Amino acid sequence: DAKTTQPNSMESNEEEPVHLPCNHSTISGTDYIHWYRQLPSQGPEYVIHGLTSNVNNRMASLAIAEDRKSSTLILHRATLRDAAVYYCILRDGHRGSGTYKYIFGTGTRLKVLA
Amino acid sequence: DGGITQSPKYLFRKEGQNVTLSCEQNLNHDAMYWYRQDPGQGLRLIYYSQIVNDFQKGDIAEGYSVSREKKESFPLTVTSAQKNPTAFYLCASSIPWGEQYFGPGTRLTVT
Repeated sequence: DAKTTQPNSMESNEEEPVHLPCNHSTISGTDYIHWYRQLPSQGPEYVIHGLTSNVNNRMASLAIAEDRKSSTLILHRATLRDAAVYYCILRDGHRGSGTYKYIFGTGTRLKVLA
Repeated sequence: DGGITQSPKYLFRKEGQNVTLSCEQNLNHDAMYWYRQDPGQGLRLIYYSQIVNDFQKGDIAEGYSVSREKKESFPLTVTSAQKNPTAFYLCASSIPWGEQYFGPGTRLTVT
């Protein structure tokens, strides 16, 4: 299973953009890049995912490097509610059943300063 | 409202006792998963089930057992054989190729 590497922690000021990096140098051509976040004492929640092209949704943007060996989750305006642990995960896109295993690392703990 | 429920939120047991954690979903998802999370760590997969009456071991299945008799339910039993059962347990579900939806978790303490 391909692995991801993320910084242990990051800080941001409220209302400012946040760029959360993720390295995945052993990514295969069929691996999707998923991001989840986990607020304290809660289950993770889905944020965004992509394969090759940059992606946007109401929560965030995902920028994927051209060689796909790294990606960046972008929160455009951080709020106090965005303080969480953010996980970058690779998902194999070619499992026939559609059921797959996520490999969670320790993620990046984002602290948002008021 | 559709979602995943896990009960109870906190559970306390004595060492040597088996304990069953509940996970129910009304999302009509085929696949369900159980994860374990230790303090400061990411999630580790215990068991997963793609359809009713079928399940597979994850990365840390020893000391745990599951059943999948109904689509909506995927209970996890933590047996006395699990050496370090105290942890935060998370259940999730998904449709094929969809993202996983997680429940609120059960924090199990064994003393």
